[in-house]
Amino acid sequence: DAGVIQSPRHEVTEMGQEVTLRCKPISGHNSLFWYRQTMMRGLELLIYFNNNVPIDDSGMPEDRFSAKMPNASFSTLKIQPSEPRDSAVYFCASSRDRVGGYTFGSGTRLTVV
Amino acid sequence: QKEVEQNSGPLSVPEGAIASLNCTYSDRGSQSFFWYRQYSGKSPELIMSIYSNGDKEDGRFTAQLNKASQYVSLLIRDSQPSDSATYLCAVSRGAQKLVFGQGTRLTINP
Repeated sequence: DAGVIQSPRHEVTEMGQEVTLRCKPISGHNSLFWYRQTMMRGLELLIYFNNNVPIDDSGMPEDRFSAKMPNASFSTLKIQPSEPRDSAVYFCASSRDRVGGYTFGSGTRLTVV
Repeated sequence: QKEVEQNSGPLSVPEGAIASLNCTYSDRGSQSFFWYRQYSGKSPELIMSIYSNGDKEDGRFTAQLNKASQYVSLLIRDSQPSDSATYLCAVSRGAQKLVFGQGTRLTINP
């Protein structure tokens, strides 16, 4: 099992640019979560999907953030336009049926300059 | 009040001793409790889960849950330098999202 796969591992972009983060969950897992981690705020849930349907997006900071899950094996998190305060590590995690512990991907370290 | 609270540390423990990590939560309806370990620059890794009051042991790790006191703890026996990491407590109510604490940074001194 390859685990949860995220890309890119690192992203440096200029303020105002569009950023797209990608995630492939573990095969057979039907819940997918996007988290953001910063020193100040810790791990924050942005949005999660169950069976490809967004269930709770209350953690999405503002309209600049959007997420999609077009099929069971792929999800994207898009930030447009990006701002320096979006700099953080973004983790994708997946689980079977939302219950139990999650498996995290390696994360994407985003730096917006 | 934060939903899940942990002492941020750093907690320093000599090698071979017992490390004790604590977590409190505010939602009395919480049903599932987890401990994750996160090494610097890495992603969180699940190490323990507990769902009912009492103790649950797995190797050198013991998770303890007291729902009446809304308290979860993790004990690490015979601490090793490789246990040095940040430990995250996570709590959920039923089939809902996990809420994480800020984490406790643990350092094991050789």
